[in-house]
Amino acid sequence: GAVVSQHPSWVICKSGTSVKIECRSLDFQATTMFWYRQFPKQSLMLMATSNEGSKATYEQGVEKDKFLINHASLTLSTLTVTSAHPEDSSFYICSASPAAANMNTGELFFGEGSRLTVL
Amino acid sequence: AQSVAQPEDQVNVAEGNPLTVKCTYSVSGNPYLFWYVQYPNRGLQFLLKYITGDNLVKGSYGFEAEFNKSQTSFHLKKPSALVSDSALYFCAVRGSSGGSYIPTFGRGTSLIVHP
Repeated sequence: GAVVSQHPSWVICKSGTSVKIECRSLDFQATTMFWYRQFPKQSLMLMATSNEGSKATYEQGVEKDKFLINHASLTLSTLTVTSAHPEDSSFYICSASPAAANMNTGELFFGEGSRLTVL
Repeated sequence: AQSVAQPEDQVNVAEGNPLTVKCTYSVSGNPYLFWYVQYPNRGLQFLLKYITGDNLVKGSYGFEAEFNKSQTSFHLKKPSALVSDSALYFCAVRGSSGGSYIPTFGRGTSLIVHP
């Protein structure tokens, strides 16, 4: 299957700093990528839909100025957690699906996730 | 709006026994249904999907799922469970109409297979 690479896997930062997480589709082009947040033993919470060359679409309740998403190319989307605080500590996962005529039938391919710990 | 329900937070089964992880859905138009597995501190891995055709879908690692339109269900099954199957399982749905290409995930079911 298609491969999605996410980096870094683990990051620890001080409160008030910013952290950037990268999501790359290695062997396919992805016009759309999804960013999720997952709390321990809980489901995935969709944060935003990242669209190549345009602004991301954020879900209700997600602060777009807090979680900056940039999808500058067909293979790279980045999530920047700005002025991170301990409550931002979480597991962040990106996913993408190869561009297809019918996007709805495609399964998603997920990155390995990024564990963020804010001290 | 589309939705997915996984009624069980946890399923316990003995190794060698059959397992079932339940999933029901609600969606406009035809449903496109998916199962994913997540191991600790990892991303999700695709197991199988139903798009059209046979109601019984076979996927990775010996898993299969049965699409039941009348019951709006897509339960995940395996004839003989392995300890290594212990993980978190997510059901997801995408719709065929409008802007429903964004997948909706269930809350996940933790499968524990006992030796």
